[in-house]
Amino acid sequence: DAGVIQSPRHEVTEMGQEVTLRCKPISGHNSLFWYRQTMMRGLELLIYFNNNVPIDDSGMPEDRFSAKMPNASFSTLKIQPSEPRDSAVYFCASRKTGGDEKLFFGSGTQLSVL
Amino acid sequence: SQQGEEDPQALSIQEGENATMNCSYKTSINNLQWYRQNSGRGLVHLILIRSNEREKHSGRLRVTLDTSKKSSSLLITASRAADTASYFCATDDNKAAGNKLTFGGGTRVLVKP
Repeated sequence: DAGVIQSPRHEVTEMGQEVTLRCKPISGHNSLFWYRQTMMRGLELLIYFNNNVPIDDSGMPEDRFSAKMPNASFSTLKIQPSEPRDSAVYFCASRKTGGDEKLFFGSGTQLSVL
Repeated sequence: SQQGEEDPQALSIQEGENATMNCSYKTSINNLQWYRQNSGRGLVHLILIRSNEREKHSGRLRVTLDTSKKSSSLLITASRAADTASYFCATDDNKAAGNKLTFGGGTRVLVKP
């Protein structure tokens, strides 16, 4: 099992640019979570999907953030336009509901907006 | 917003000592989970305790849950230098639409050899 795969591992961009983060969950998992981690705010839940449907996006900070899950094996988190305060590590995680309920995390994308 | 809050924020101990950290939360839960994060890595699941359980063990880990106080504790016994990491509690809330897993601020543990 390859685990949750995120790309890119590192992204450096300039303010105003569009940023797209990608995630491939573990095969067979039907819940997918996007988190953002910073020193100041800790680990924040941005949005989560069940069976490809967004359930709760109340953690998405602004309209500049959007997330999609077009199928069970792929999700994107897009920031447009990006700002320096978006700099953080973004984690994707997946699990199978009705199973043992534990969450499997990807390695994260370290985003730096200059 | 964070559901769980860990205490202490940081902990420094000698190898062989026990490490105890606490987590408090606000709303009703299905279960509470503890995760570990090594520097620069994703979180890794350690142990899960359900709302109808009071104590659970896994190797050197012991977790307690008090739903009346909305609190949990994680004990790591006979700590090793390799236990140096951040530890997070996560609450799995009780919603029919799909459970949301919300993390606390974490406890940074340093185990000195």
